[in-house]
This record gives sequence, structure tokens and C-alpha cells, in this order.
Amino acid sequence: DAGVIQSPRHEVTEMGQEVTLRCKPISGHDYLFWYRQTMMRGLELLIYFNNNVPIDDSGMPEDRFSAKMPNASFSTLKIQPSEPRDSAVYFCASSFPPISTDTQYFGPGTRLTVL
Amino acid sequence: KQEVTQIPAALSVPEGENLVLNCSFTDSAIYNLQWFRQDPGKGLTSLLLIQSSQREQTSGRLNASLDKSSGRSTLYIAASQPGDSATYLCAVRGSQGNLIFGKGTKLSVKP
Repeated sequence: DAGVIQSPRHEVTEMGQEVTLRCKPISGHDYLFWYRQTMMRGLELLIYFNNNVPIDDSGMPEDRFSAKMPNASFSTLKIQPSEPRDSAVYFCASSFPPISTDTQYFGPGTRLTVL
Repeated sequence: KQEVTQIPAALSVPEGENLVLNCSFTDSAIYNLQWFRQDPGKGLTSLLLIQSSQREQTSGRLNASLDKSSGRSTLYIAASQPGDSATYLCAVRGSQGNLIFGKGTKLSVKP
């Protein structure tokens, strides 16, 4: 398996623009997670899905952030409008159940810079 | 609210030295604890996963211990090598299944 795939790997945009990050989980994994990593706050969970349904979005910072999972092999994280403080590395991870015991497999991340 | 702390934030050692990385967490009600490795510009790679009922796990030169009652875990690296240089992250899994991460220890092993 190719592992978790994320695109783009790097994104530079201007404040106010819409940004869409993409993730393809490992085939057969029922859980998908979106994390954000910054120097100040470390790695934080934004949202996770089980069988394409959002389970916990309490980590989504504000209404400018939205995430979807239209099918088992694809998810998007959208920021609209983007702000400089959104600059971070965004990771996607997937996991096979049971969620309480299995490890999570991380993608390489998308480095977002908002100017 | 669960908080995970890792000490030290950075560590530099000569090659061949044995070392210990520390992780502490505030809520002992966890399902498991994982240690990850992160190389610059890369994602996270899982090293060891310790279930809440276990005391330790070993993989090669790595040994991780878990003391739930005191809210502590250690990652022991034997005979360190320059290739071990990376950031090591500790994460606990809470009741909702999500992982809560520490900020990591940046390890540098000098030849």
C-alpha cells in the first residue's frame, strides 16, 4: 500500500484566499484524522471521521475551517478565507478499528503558508 | 483536560550513548500511549504502542515503559546512532479515541 497520500505537499497563498487540502487514506481504514502542527501549539487534532461521518470536530478552530469525506478514499480540509495565523503543517492520518487499540498512520503533511 | 508534557525539549548526545526520553500526562484514564518519530519535513512514524494494561514494549534498541498510576512513560534508546536523530513525540489516546500529543523531544546524536 502507498500509505496515506496528501496533496499538495506545499501551498503558499495570500490572505483571504480559499485553500483546499486533500487526503487519501489507506485502503480499508475506517477512521480518518486531520491534525495541525505549529511550533507554538504542537500537534492538535482538528476533526476525525468514522466511515465517512464526522465524529468529533471540536478541534476545528473556527467557522473558516470545514472538512468533508465524500467517500471512503477521499477527504478535504478547506479554509475560507485563509489568514496568516493558519500557517502550519496539516497532517492527515488513518486508522483501522478498533480505534482504542490500533495505531494511526500519518501522511507526509501539507505545509501551508498564508502571506 | 488531558495534557501531555515531554522533557527535555531538546537533547544532544554522542554516538553510542544510552538515553531516556520522558513523557508525562495528567489524566490516567487512557486507552494506550504511543511513541512516534518525526523526521524534518516528514510525517510521523509509530515506534511503539503500549496498551493501558501493559507495562512496556520493546522493538530493537527501543524500549518504552508505561506507569499509568503516576502518569509517566519513558522511551529508552540503547546505543544511540546518528540515524536516531529526529523529534520523538509521545501521544496518549483518550476515551474518545483521539490522540493527544506532547510537543516532542528533538534528539541529536553526534558522530
